[in-house]
Amino acid sequence: QSALTQPPSASGSPGQSVTISCTGTSTDIGRYNYVSWYQQLPGKAPKLMIYAVNKRPSGVPDRFSGSKSGNTASLTVSGLQAEDEADYYCSSYAGSVNILLFGGGTKVTVL
Amino acid sequence: EVQLVESGGGLAKPGGSLRLSCVASGSGFSFRKDWMTWVRQGPGRGLEWVGRLKSSGSTDYAAPVKGRFTISRDESKNTVYLQMNSLRTEDTAVYYCTMGYFDSAGSYHGDEAFDIWGRGTKVFVSS
Repeated sequence: QSALTQPPSASGSPGQSVTISCTGTSTDIGRYNYVSWYQQLPGKAPKLMIYAVNKRPSGVPDRFSGSKSGNTASLTVSGLQAEDEADYYCSSYAGSVNILLFGGGTKVTVL
Repeated sequence: EVQLVESGGGLAKPGGSLRLSCVASGSGFSFRKDWMTWVRQGPGRGLEWVGRLKSSGSTDYAAPVKGRFTISRDESKNTVYLQMNSLRTEDTAVYYCTMGYFDSAGSYHGDEAFDIWGRGTKVFVSS
């Protein structure tokens, strides 16, 4: 069981939006604005898509956006494209003892 | 651009040891500023933070590996190591080496955002 909870799957048609949730606790997501999101294509290393809750590294399309409310963070992919089909993982800083927690991952399917 | 290449994975028996290496190359890399983190991914499973080496040389580890795994570095070789002892079957995973992210404002996210990853090295623990 992962420390952060994500739905195992999500899907949408091309052009639609899909939102993935990531639920933690008051000691991780609820306490720190250090939530990141990663995209992982099959057989590849993860790619940083969002950091610090809602910031995008250069080169990441603005179709990807992040947010947080209480103990839950979310990643929204707008204008879905076939190339967005991948596994997505959230992570959150959790303090000096646990350091970093990951979610179990969500497989996004473009219908 | 910095590149990371892991090696050293393979088959080990329960109770055995392996040492993974991660070589950093490219301009802009320096152990004096870059924190190195190991993340693993078990077969069909999600990502798991393993441990981290700060630029100061201090280390932290996840509870499942604390006391068994050790992260170290050789600055002359631009290499960070993950020494894994007392291996268990549940340590079977792809092990990734990764680095913290410097954003465009100059802020460093060494603990919680990783923008450069190696391709990973596979570790299989079985009798």
